Order: sequence, then structure tokens, then C-alpha cells
Amino acid sequence: DVKVTQSSRYLVKRTGEKVFLECVQDMDHENMFWYRQDPGLGLRLIYFSYDVKMKEKGDIPEGYSVSREKKERFSLILESASTNQTSMYLCASRPPQVDGYTFGSGTRLTVV
Amino acid sequence: QKEVEQNSGPLSVPEGAIASLNCTYSDRGSQSFFWYRQYSGKSPELIMFIYSNGDKEDGRFTAQLNKASQYVSLLIRDSQPSDSATYLCAVGEPMNTGFQKLVFGTGTRLLVSP
Repeated sequence: DVKVTQSSRYLVKRTGEKVFLECVQDMDHENMFWYRQDPGLGLRLIYFSYDVKMKEKGDIPEGYSVSREKKERFSLILESASTNQTSMYLCASRPPQVDGYTFGSGTRLTVV
Repeated sequence: QKEVEQNSGPLSVPEGAIASLNCTYSDRGSQSFFWYRQYSGKSPELIMFIYSNGDKEDGRFTAQLNKASQYVSLLIRDSQPSDSATYLCAVGEPMNTGFQKLVFGTGTRLLVSP
């Protein structure tokens, strides 16, 4: 089974801090994604990457950046955390020739 | 941004009944459709996908797709209390890069009572 691991289950950060959310997959998938999930808004795509060092903006990239230096690791960066970035963050990867994603367990980030 | 619409529920059904979950989508060009189950506090897990019009069955689950009417449904037969969860509909949306992203609905909460 594919394993997508997010390094932190819960995080509390202060406004203005730089925050790194890490995601690692163990199946050599090329495509990886970062979503955030908020009540009433569902899952919204922040960024995705289709290969090492390749990235594309999703629907809500403002205030975020990403890094993909190695195929297995896709990092989401909050440059200067704000309270409206309090959310559940979900990383996903997609195997080749398959459309469905496998999600990590999520990181619940609270910005105070 | 293409839209995927779901009734938020909760949809309440008794144990053993058929639960019917519905989803409509706005992009007529969409080609791939997915159902995810999400338990409270957990991440979504893929339970069904469908690409062609008609029905696709997998155990107690049946996905139905009608592209002309732009809706997708999920039927759960012999519903169990363990099926109580939020069910997310997702639709594949092609991007300029040639890749596909999934656009999710906000989910329908299903409650199965013993």
C-alpha cells in the first residue's frame, strides 16, 4: 500500500512565523498535491507538483509556496502565517496511470 | 473554477437500508469521477471511481454516472453503522499542463442508525 506521511498531526504557530509542512510518499509517485480543508468550503487545491522541482499553483496559492527537491518529499511553506491559514492541510500523491489520489493523515494547523 | 455540488446532509438511514448520495458537476468536459469516504478527524480515502456512463459495482457500493445530466451518485447497500462518515464527490478537471486536478464537493454526511 502507498504510504503518504505528513510529519506533524497538530501544529500551533504564531502569527508571522514561517511554517513548514512536510509530506513524504514512499512509492516514487511523480504527482503530489497540497490541499486545505475547511468546514463548508471542502478541499481546495493550494499547489501541486508533477515532478522534482516542478510546481504549479492551484486555486488558492496566495500566502503559500512549495518545494520539491526530491521526488518523495513535497513541502508546503507558509511564508508569514496568518490566522486565516488555520486549517486542516492534506497532502496527496497520485500513482502514474491512476487518477485517484492517496491522502496523508493531515496536519491540523492553528495560527494564533 | 468548476463546481461540484453535494447536499451537506446529514442523510440519516437505518441499518440495512440503501443510502443514496448524489453529486452534480458543472464541467461538461469532465471525464473522471471519484467518491471518497472521510471519517471524522481522518483523511479522505478513495472508495470508488467511475469513468463511463452507467453503473459500477464494488461490493456494497455502486457508483452511477450520467454525463448528459452531469450527475454522479453513490449507492451503499445494506448500510452499516460503520458507514457513518462524510462522503466526498470529486471530479477530474484537466489543466493546461496536461495534468488533471481533482475538484471536490463539500461532502454529504451520512448517519446510519442501528
